[in-house]
Amino acid sequence: SQQGEEDPQALSIQEGENATMNCSYKTSINNLQWYRQNSGRGLVHLILIRSNEREKHSGRLRVTLDTSKKSSSLLITASRAADTASYFCATERMDSSYKLIFGSGTRLLVRP
Amino acid sequence: EAQVTQNPRYLITVTGKKLTVTCSQNMNHEYMSWYRQDPGLGLRQIYYSMNVEVTDKGDVPEGYKVSRKEKRNFPLILESPSPNQTSLYFCASRFGQGSEKLFFGSGTQLSVL
Repeated sequence: SQQGEEDPQALSIQEGENATMNCSYKTSINNLQWYRQNSGRGLVHLILIRSNEREKHSGRLRVTLDTSKKSSSLLITASRAADTASYFCATERMDSSYKLIFGSGTRLLVRP
Repeated sequence: EAQVTQNPRYLITVTGKKLTVTCSQNMNHEYMSWYRQDPGLGLRQIYYSMNVEVTDKGDVPEGYKVSRKEKRNFPLILESPSPNQTSLYFCASRFGQGSEKLFFGSGTQLSVL
């Protein structure tokens, strides 16, 4: 069952602009994670934000979490062509399974 | 180098011919999992393992088997593959039970004719 749903499904921006992707989920979570996937390759972990955190930064990445709205956003500042990839949010369920459920992703294209 | 290794990278087979996709991690992770990725559906979990000899079904386990006899290995077995199992498969592992990031293998593109 899918929990995280990303929005938009696809995003095209110019190099240097900021890219914002959103994720909504349905049930209570332990944490929310963002992953990046280059075409057809394995996913790479970007950042993890716990349910008691509201904002987290890592380099050019900024993640926010609003548990009351069950939503998160990933902001990539000063984008580069190398940021072109698909981005997935994943939510860890708040039960003993610690199951991580992935959304269907946002495809980001950064034009040089 | 810490990594999750999957083999093969590409596999073309025919309906009904048993196959195994191997997965190995060198990070001493307790948790391992298999996912399949299909266009528009994101990643769906097939099976996972919390530790040696402990496996459990994910969201789409039908037609798959797994085993966890050693901590580092978690093979995915398709006893009688069918065309609807054509997909991109990923193995992943993480330290501990939860609240940790997943490390992914490079993927196995499987085509069942």
